[in-house]
Amino acid sequence: AQSVTQLDSQVPVFEEAPVELRCNYSSSVSVYLFWYVQYPNQGLQLLLKYLSGSTLVKGINGFEAEFNKSQTSFHLRKPSVHISDTAEYFCAVTPLLNAGGTSYGKLTFGQGTILTVHP
Amino acid sequence: DSGVTQTPKHLITATGQRVTLRCSPRSGDLSVYWYQQSLDQGLQFLIQYYNGEERAKGNILERFSAQQFPDLHSELNLSSLELGDSALYFCASSVGAVNYGYTFGSGTRLTVV
Repeated sequence: AQSVTQLDSQVPVFEEAPVELRCNYSSSVSVYLFWYVQYPNQGLQLLLKYLSGSTLVKGINGFEAEFNKSQTSFHLRKPSVHISDTAEYFCAVTPLLNAGGTSYGKLTFGQGTILTVHP
Repeated sequence: DSGVTQTPKHLITATGQRVTLRCSPRSGDLSVYWYQQSLDQGLQFLIQYYNGEERAKGNILERFSAQQFPDLHSELNLSSLELGDSALYFCASSVGAVNYGYTFGSGTRLTVV
């Protein structure tokens, strides 16, 4: 089974400041990792994903994340935030192909981090 | 518009009733996933269908059931509704059975009164 811990439930930041949203995960098998964003009254939108290869992945809207296997972390960063980045951000994992098949395709989400960007 | 269509957007119903939520996946996607989002439980995986067959099951109550039809749209049926079933229900779709990144719909907000 997998679990995801987002270390901060709320992150307030001023416009144009850098931000880091922290995510740690636990899994007995290798996983794919994702960050999603949810704007108020909307569905979830995929920001970026790590499947393999370079541990630094770039996503939409200037976000990037770094996969650290030894620390089982996948922190999300943006060097300069905008008011429009105010939203809830979710880290999620899914196991790689697994012989049992029971968690095929299932995403396990963290509890979310509300990012509030102040002018 | 993500390409995943969920209807209705809002639903208000009484305890004990039954409702059906509908999802049309993106064109070409064969997998459909259902999630429940509530304040206390967060985002919880309910069930996955791939090309008409159930592929994975999560924390789905026995009062809930789902199916995927030959045209690949899916329905989530919730019966004997309780106040605690009030939540946002999301559908997502992906091309294959393995998750390389879903596309989510905008959700159905269910309120049980």
